Amino acid sequence: EIVLTQSPGTLSLSPGERATLSCRASQSVSSNFLAWYQQKPGQAPRLLIYGASSRATGIPDNFSGSGSGTDFTLTISRLEPEDFAVYYCQQYGSPPNTFGQGTKVEIK
Amino acid sequence: EVQLVESGGGLVQPGGSLRLSCAASGFTFSSFWMHWVRQVPGKGLVWVSRINMDGSSTGYADSVKGRFTISRDNAKNTLYLQMNSLRAEDTAVYYCQRSLDYWGQGTLVTVSS
Repeated sequence: EIVLTQSPGTLSLSPGERATLSCRASQSVSSNFLAWYQQKPGQAPRLLIYGASSRATGIPDNFSGSGSGTDFTLTISRLEPEDFAVYYCQQYGSPPNTFGQGTKVEIK
Repeated sequence: EVQLVESGGGLVQPGGSLRLSCAASGFTFSSFWMHWVRQVPGKGLVWVSRINMDGSSTGYADSVKGRFTISRDNAKNTLYLQMNSLRAEDTAVYYCQRSLDYWGQGTLVTVSS
């Protein structure tokens, strides 16, 4: 099973700042099948990025994904108030699908 | 509009059984792989199981293998998760997920005596 490690655990930033979230895999993610989700309290997760770098439908372009192999990054270019949430990466290239433990982006 | 609505959660004693359902609408259900994902409140997401479009192929996390069974009824646009031999550590919110992109709102399963 591929283990995904997200860092940092918590990111304290101010609105308007840039957020850089990391997801590292214990082995190469097949075909870069790596997704990013956003989850707010009391809500289901929302797909942001799939295939490491493709934005899901309706996701604003201040969200971007990059990386390949074992190292992936989610960048939020300029934090809006509604972007403060928990973010998870997931690999779906090698069963079983696995999630990272999450990064909380909180208001500084 | 795509909708996924889970039901069937509740309180069950250790060793008991529960069947979760996920009613799908707004898309061609039979054209998508489906998943169950669970989350202990306040904790992270854990993938549980998946099923292919016609139900001929399934997969499970090691933690539930042999106890949980995923299935689907494409005529009823419904996904199921039969959960047997439930343990306290199965307590979580269970979400159904369409492929990658849509999630239901979840149903809470509590395993406790």
